[in-house]
Amino acid sequence: QKEVEQDPGPLSVPEGAIVSLNCTYSNSAFQYFMWYRQYSRKGPELLMYTYSSGNKEDGRFTAQVDKSSKYISLFIRDSQPSDSATYLCAMSAVRGGADGLTFGKGTHLIIQP
Amino acid sequence: DAGITQSPRYKITETGRQVTLMCHQTWSHSYMFWYRQDLGHGLRLIYYSAAADITDKGEVPDGYVVSRSKTENFPLTLESATRSQTSVYFCASSSPEDSNQPQHFGDGTRLSIL
Repeated sequence: QKEVEQDPGPLSVPEGAIVSLNCTYSNSAFQYFMWYRQYSRKGPELLMYTYSSGNKEDGRFTAQVDKSSKYISLFIRDSQPSDSATYLCAMSAVRGGADGLTFGKGTHLIIQP
Repeated sequence: DAGITQSPRYKITETGRQVTLMCHQTWSHSYMFWYRQDLGHGLRLIYYSAAADITDKGEVPDGYVVSRSKTENFPLTLESATRSQTSVYFCASSSPEDSNQPQHFGDGTRLSIL
């Protein structure tokens, strides 16, 4: 079993919908959780960075972490066609991922105009 | 401009050849990383470095060599390329002082080994 599980999709939703992206993990040592967005032929760019359990909101994006269930989520409100990309969850036991990040496989998201 | 630059962006080579992928960052970040991205696997860590002359193996280090003589550069070498090393390679950097941005990524090198 891979340490981080993420449904690869594709996930297709209409413009304006609320999108829910999820990852589960098995390593209870993970404390730092990230969501990256990756456009085609580009590198991942950080969207959200959270520590331990709880919620964090930034504009249309909300990240949730439930360490008791080993489950993290990213919600996108009022989705736009420009949100179409691959979303990668990543996590680390060390602050800032100093010994590297463990990634999910990524979910390919398509927002239909 | 400040940032992280990978070169070349695209490379085609043959099995058995040596190839070096370059990574340069202008932030003076102490940490640097190499990942490979493959369909069905996501991003996997190859090697990382906490400072000049300090390197450590990641999840998939076999067949790769790294060096870090200067803080800003972290080249990745495939000493004898194999077809299984066809992939997209990403370099990243981070600073332990920057708690809000764990890792900055370059735009990758697409490597094809024939």
